Amino acid sequence: EIVLTQSPATLSLSPGERATLSCRASQSVSNYLAWYQQKPGQAPRLLIYDSFNRATGIPARFSGSGSGTDFTLTISSLEPEDFTIYYCQQRSDWPLTFGGGTKVEIK
Amino acid sequence: EVQLVESGGGLVQPGGSLRLSCAASGFSFSKYGMSWVRQAPGKGLEWVSVISGNGANIYYADSLEGRFTISRDNSKNTVYLQMNSLRAEDAATYYCTKRGETCYTLNCHLDCWGQGTLVTVSS
Repeated sequence: EIVLTQSPATLSLSPGERATLSCRASQSVSNYLAWYQQKPGQAPRLLIYDSFNRATGIPARFSGSGSGTDFTLTISSLEPEDFTIYYCQQRSDWPLTFGGGTKVEIK
Repeated sequence: EVQLVESGGGLVQPGGSLRLSCAASGFSFSKYGMSWVRQAPGKGLEWVSVISGNGANIYYADSLEGRFTISRDNSKNTVYLQMNSLRAEDAATYYCTKRGETCYTLNCHLDCWGQGTLVTVSS
């Protein structure tokens, strides 16, 4: 199965700063990578699909990039509600797999 | 508005069975593949199974070892997950999810999630 490794595990930043989250695949997934945000006690929410496409209703401060094995989720200027956990997911091959998550915390 | 509402979770003894249900509304249910994803307490996300819109194509995570069965009833806009021979490691919140709009294949991102139903496996 395709293993997704997210880094860092925890990112400590202040509101207004730029966040850069990484997701690396064990083999190429083309551009078939999505990003989700999960707040405590809530279901995950789709942010980005197929590497760079923002899902409906997602603010422009969220952007995705990458192809092959290396992907990045960028939050251009952190809002208070952005401090939570983010997961990547590949759909290139079965089984669908998720990364282990990156927690963005307030510094 | 797309809605997915799971039910059927609860406390079950090791070796027992549960059937989860997910009632869908707000979209043409039979046109979309549906997946179950689980999350153990304090852990990350694990994809469990997927079923195509017409039920003809099904995939499972290898870790299930044939113990779970996914099905759907398009007349009731409902997808099910039958879980047998439950183990402690199956304890998790189980989410019902819908395939994204832009995919032409069953392997897809997941653009809508239910609130989840908690399964506890303990004696």
